[in-house]
Amino acid sequence: NAGVTQTPKFQVLKTGQSMTLQCAQDMNHNSMYWYRQDPGMGLRLIYYSASEGTTDKGEVPNGYNVSRLNKREFSLRLESAAPSQTSVYFCASRGVVGTSGVPSYNEQFFGPGTRLTVL
Amino acid sequence: QKEVEQNSGPLSVPEGAIASLNCTYSDRGSQSFFWYRQYSGKSPELIMSIYSNGDKEDGRFTAQLNKASQYVSLLIRDSQPSDSATYLCAVKRNYGQNFVFGPGTRLSVLP
Repeated sequence: NAGVTQTPKFQVLKTGQSMTLQCAQDMNHNSMYWYRQDPGMGLRLIYYSASEGTTDKGEVPNGYNVSRLNKREFSLRLESAAPSQTSVYFCASRGVVGTSGVPSYNEQFFGPGTRLTVL
Repeated sequence: QKEVEQNSGPLSVPEGAIASLNCTYSDRGSQSFFWYRQYSGKSPELIMSIYSNGDKEDGRFTAQLNKASQYVSLLIRDSQPSDSATYLCAVKRNYGQNFVFGPGTRLSVLP
């Protein structure tokens, strides 16, 4: 099991460029999330998808769009990148089985992150 | 008032001491609480979850929850230099499927 994977790991964009961050999970989880992390701000939720076919805005959705392509994949798109979107982006998924074999519906598993710089 | 608050630190403790990390939250209806550890440049990993008032122990870690005071804490006994990381408190909202994270407390365990 690869868990949660994200691509790319690093990206540098110029202001106004667009790009899509990819996320996939192989744990058969229903829920998937996109967060951004900035120094001193913790993790802030951008969008989430409670199940295949549904998406909802989080705390900081402006400037982003998402697609839940299927149960495994949840992508985040920046249509016109701005320097304020320089951040580390984490994808997470949530499902039934947690660590140590103990069922836990509430645990989130995080991907390795994408470090994005917008010049 | 932020939904989830933590002292940003850094919190420095000597090796072998008890590290105490605190978190307060504003949504009185919240039922699920989590502590994540995040090493520099890495993704968060879950170390403890707690749902009921009282203490929950797992190895060197103890989570404490007091819903009346809207307070969650994490104690790390016999702290090791490898515990040096940022600890994030997370609260699942009482409605919907999403979570709110605190800003994190940076812990430094000095050898």
